[in-house]
Amino acid sequence: DAGVIQSPRHEVTEMGQEVTLRCKPISGHNSLFWYRQTMMRGLELLIYFNNNVPIDDSGMPEDRFSAKMPNASFSTLKIQPSEPRDSAVYFCAGRAGQGNNEQFFGPGTRLTVL
Amino acid sequence: SQQGEEDPQALSIQEGENATMNCSYKTSINNLQWYRQNSGRGLVHLILIRSNEREKHSGRLRVTLDTSKKSSSLLITASRAADTASYFCATDARDSSYKLIFGSGTRLLVRP
Repeated sequence: DAGVIQSPRHEVTEMGQEVTLRCKPISGHNSLFWYRQTMMRGLELLIYFNNNVPIDDSGMPEDRFSAKMPNASFSTLKIQPSEPRDSAVYFCAGRAGQGNNEQFFGPGTRLTVL
Repeated sequence: SQQGEEDPQALSIQEGENATMNCSYKTSINNLQWYRQNSGRGLVHLILIRSNEREKHSGRLRVTLDTSKKSSSLLITASRAADTASYFCATDARDSSYKLIFGSGTRLLVRP
């Protein structure tokens, strides 16, 4: 198993541009999480999906952020328009089931918005 | 605000020494986990301890949990240079079992 796959690994864009981050969770993991990590705020949960349904998006900072999970093997996090303060490392993580709390993280996407 | 606060923020030790990291949290929990993050990588799960457990071992790792003090410690024995990483505790709240709240992390440097 290749583990959680995220793409791109690095993204540099200019303010105002649309950014789309992608995640492929481990097969069979029916819970998916998007996190953002910065030096100032640490690791923050943005949104949680269970069985492809968004359950908790209270961590999504603004309407500029949106996330989708069209099927069990793919999720996207979109920022439109991007701003310099969105610069961070974005992680996708999966979990096998609600009775199992261990989360499996992807390698992250380092986003820089100029 | 973050559920878990860890100390020290940074720790530098010599290879072969033991490393102890502490985590404090605020609310009642179901369990507490420790994760490791190597530079530029994602977090990797190390160990989980349930709220009714007091101590757990896994290889060179020893985790303790004191629910009365809302604190946990992670001990790495006989440290190796490869243990250099950031270590995070993560708790799930009793009323929200899916959500993990991560601490601020301890940066461990093991000098060869």
